[in-house]
Amino acid sequence: NAGVTQTPKFQVLKTGQSMTLQCAQDMNHNSMYWYRQDPGMGLRLIYYSASEGTTDKGEVPNGYNVSRLNKREFSLRLESAAPSQTSVYFCASLSSGADRNYEQYFGPGTRLTVT
Amino acid sequence: QQPVQSPQAVILREGEDAVINCSSSKALYSVHWYRQKHGEAPVFLMILLKGGEQKGHDKISASFNEKKQQSSLYLTASQLSYSGTYFCGTRALDGTSYDKVIFGPGTSLSVIP
Repeated sequence: NAGVTQTPKFQVLKTGQSMTLQCAQDMNHNSMYWYRQDPGMGLRLIYYSASEGTTDKGEVPNGYNVSRLNKREFSLRLESAAPSQTSVYFCASLSSGADRNYEQYFGPGTRLTVT
Repeated sequence: QQPVQSPQAVILREGEDAVINCSSSKALYSVHWYRQKHGEAPVFLMILLKGGEQKGHDKISASFNEKKQQSSLYLTASQLSYSGTYFCGTRALDGTSYDKVIFGPGTSLSVIP
């Protein structure tokens, strides 16, 4: 069981470049999330997906797009990167709650720098 | 809307106790607590699903007052390993998806010998 995996772990982009952050989970969870973490700001929700085929905006969706390719994968795309998007990005998935657990499992994060 | 956490930071000596508070302006379905070590991903501590529910995990416990939309995390007899940043996550009863989890800004806790 790999849990939640993210690629890449590190990335440097120039302003205006685009890229896609990949996330996959092997726990058969329905819900998946993308958060960004900046110093002093905690974890801010960008987008989430409650089930395959659905996506919803979080707190800070501007400048991002997402795609829930299938139950396992949830990708985050930056179409035109800006320095304000320099951050650590975490993907997470939520256990189903059949046992009233509802635990979020986080990936290791992607450190993105936009110059 | 992001939940509010207090204090922002706390420094403890080993063996001392601490309380971290989390409050929301919205009615809540659940409160989740996580700890994050520097450079690592957040790790789940516990979830509280209904008013008055208290959970425990070793010497870390929590309570949830759903009428006040508040939760508190209690760390007793702190150990060096408790150092990190603690986040509360909330799911609101505001008509949005129950799967939407919003986190507070975090409380930095340092335990010193």
